[in-house]
Amino acid sequence: SAVISQKPSRDICQRGTSLTIQCQVDSQVTMMFWYRQQPGQSLTLIATANQGSEATYESGFVIDKFPISRPNLTFSTLTVSNMSPEDSSIYLCSAQGAGDDTGELFFGEGSRLTVL
Amino acid sequence: GDSVTQMEGPVTLSEEACLTINCTYTATGYPSLFWYVQYPGEGLQLLLKATKADDKGSNKGFEATYRKETTSFHLEKGSVQVSDSAVYFCALSSMDSSYKLIFGSGTRLLVRP
Repeated sequence: SAVISQKPSRDICQRGTSLTIQCQVDSQVTMMFWYRQQPGQSLTLIATANQGSEATYESGFVIDKFPISRPNLTFSTLTVSNMSPEDSSIYLCSAQGAGDDTGELFFGEGSRLTVL
Repeated sequence: GDSVTQMEGPVTLSEEACLTINCTYTATGYPSLFWYVQYPGEGLQLLLKATKADDKGSNKGFEATYRKETTSFHLEKGSVQVSDSAVYFCALSSMDSSYKLIFGSGTRLLVRP
């Protein structure tokens, strides 16, 4: 298993600003992912955070808007750039445990962003 | 591509009632199937999983059986409690989708005393 800590847990942001969310895992993991959960909606995958290389983005998400870093096997950041009210969501970091081949993911508590 | 369809909510039940939340999937390979739960104000927790056909996942009185012939993974509980009130997400992961977890739309369950 893996315990995932995210910060901030919540923030209120002004339109046009950027915010970086940090994700720390308590053990080395192979895969890390970032999801978005818009109000009352399901989870949508933003990107796969690749260690030591550029993230792999899903359709509809671009690096300029959601730059991601993953400098090592336990840490990743997601930046939400030039925010607008439409970016108000919960952003969740997730990880697949080392050696797991079932696809099970562990999730952080999420970072709830409100953009005014 | 791979996808998950689950029944619309909200589902409102009285305490001790039986629960079924339907989930069907479309996948090209042999996915693993999951049920995650999100309690109010919290993150996602794995409730149960099944990794191959006919497997039954179970936890906290909840069960789901991986039915390949009907491509289903319905969540069941014989007697719900108020504390089960949450949003339940069906999900799948497969090698064909690079182990990305694909979620259904979620079903909100409200259990009344």
